[in-house]
Amino acid sequence: DIQMTQSPSSLSASLGDRVTITCRASQSISISLNWYQQKPGKAPQLLVYAASSLHSGVPSRFSASGSGTDFALTISSLQPEDFATYYCQQTDTAPCSFGQGTKLEIK
Amino acid sequence: QAQLVQSGAEVRKPGASVRVSCTASGYTFTTYGVTWVRQAPGQGLEWMGWISAYNGDRELAQKFQGRVTMTTDTSTNTAYMELTGLRSDDTAVYYCARRVMGVEAAARQPIYYYYMDVWGEGTTVTVSS
Repeated sequence: DIQMTQSPSSLSASLGDRVTITCRASQSISISLNWYQQKPGKAPQLLVYAASSLHSGVPSRFSASGSGTDFALTISSLQPEDFATYYCQQTDTAPCSFGQGTKLEIK
Repeated sequence: QAQLVQSGAEVRKPGASVRVSCTASGYTFTTYGVTWVRQAPGQGLEWMGWISAYNGDRELAQKFQGRVTMTTDTSTNTAYMELTGLRSDDTAVYYCARRVMGVEAAARQPIYYYYMDVWGEGTTVTVSS
């Protein structure tokens, strides 16, 4: 099975900060990498698919990059609604594993 | 717009079974697949498997093989996930999500990728004696 490792596991940041979350796959997954945002008590929401394609309606302050084994999600200027937990997921090979999550909190 | 509506919360005793439904609206059900993901209390997301609403093809995570059955009913645009032999560690929120396939054609060979763009609200399953 492919292991997905996110870093950091938690992050404290202030409004307006630029933050980056990384995700590493245990083997190459090409561009089969998605990013989701989840708020407490809610279903996850798709942010990015195919490593760098922003889902419809996602603000442009979100960007993502990577291919192979190393990926990153960047938020250029944190807004109040961005404080949530973020998950990466590989869909190259079943089981389509998720990273352990990165909890983004207000400093 | 596309929407997935799941069945309500369930409480079961250990050893019992549960079936969760997921009804689609706002899109052509048979054009996409349905993925099932669960989340134990305070934990991360766990991919369980997916099923094609077009032809019933499916993939299950090995840990669920023999305990999970995924089906679809195209007459009602509904997907079902049944989990048998329930244990306390099956207590979780179970989500269904629409599985979309895309293709990156610019590469030397086409690269197929998949993602979940529409999610149900989740169904809480509690396993307790």
